[in-house]
Amino acid sequence: RKEVEQDPGPFNVPEGATVAFNCTYSNSASQSFFWYRQDCRKEPKLLMSVYSSGNEDGRFTAQLNRASQYISLLIRDSKLSDSATYLCVVKRGNFNKFYFGSGTKLNVKP
Amino acid sequence: DADVTQTPRNRITKTGKRIMLECSQTKGHDRMYWYRQDPGLGLRLIYYSFDVKDINKGEISDGYSVSRQAQAKFSLSLESAIPNQTALYFCATSDFGGSDTQYFGPGTRLTVL
Repeated sequence: RKEVEQDPGPFNVPEGATVAFNCTYSNSASQSFFWYRQDCRKEPKLLMSVYSSGNEDGRFTAQLNRASQYISLLIRDSKLSDSATYLCVVKRGNFNKFYFGSGTKLNVKP
Repeated sequence: DADVTQTPRNRITKTGKRIMLECSQTKGHDRMYWYRQDPGLGLRLIYYSFDVKDINKGEISDGYSVSRQAQAKFSLSLESAIPNQTALYFCATSDFGGSDTQYFGPGTRLTVL
């Protein structure tokens, strides 16, 4: 079983839509959780960390459910510039090892 | 200037050739990582290093070796390249005791014919 699983998509949404992605992780010992954004053929970049209490950054809201071992990302009022692949990442262990999902592709259309 | 740089950015080589991919960082981070990315598989960890004297295998280290020449430099070698090593390779850094953020280089696109 993969450490981190995501729906690959693509999610095709119109501008202004609200879209949500989920991600599940297999190891309950996972400690830290993140969403990264990756544009086509570019390096991943941190979008936001995910905290147990949930956190928001502008149009983006991340939630963590430890009991069910899933992480979510909600994007409100989608912009064309939000089109990218969103990677779910978990950290586990004392040695900063990170495990990446294969990504969910989002296409925001005019 | 970019904080994490990789050279070369693109490389085409033939089966059996030795290839070295280089990574340098100016962030002063202790921890460095090499990943490969294949379509549909996400990023997979090849090797990681927590300081100059510490090298660890990741989940897919077979066929690869690394060298941590200095805190700022971490090289990945393919001793005898094979076609299924065709992939996008990323170097990353993170800061021990810091925010857990990983900072990635721009990637090296490697094609093995």
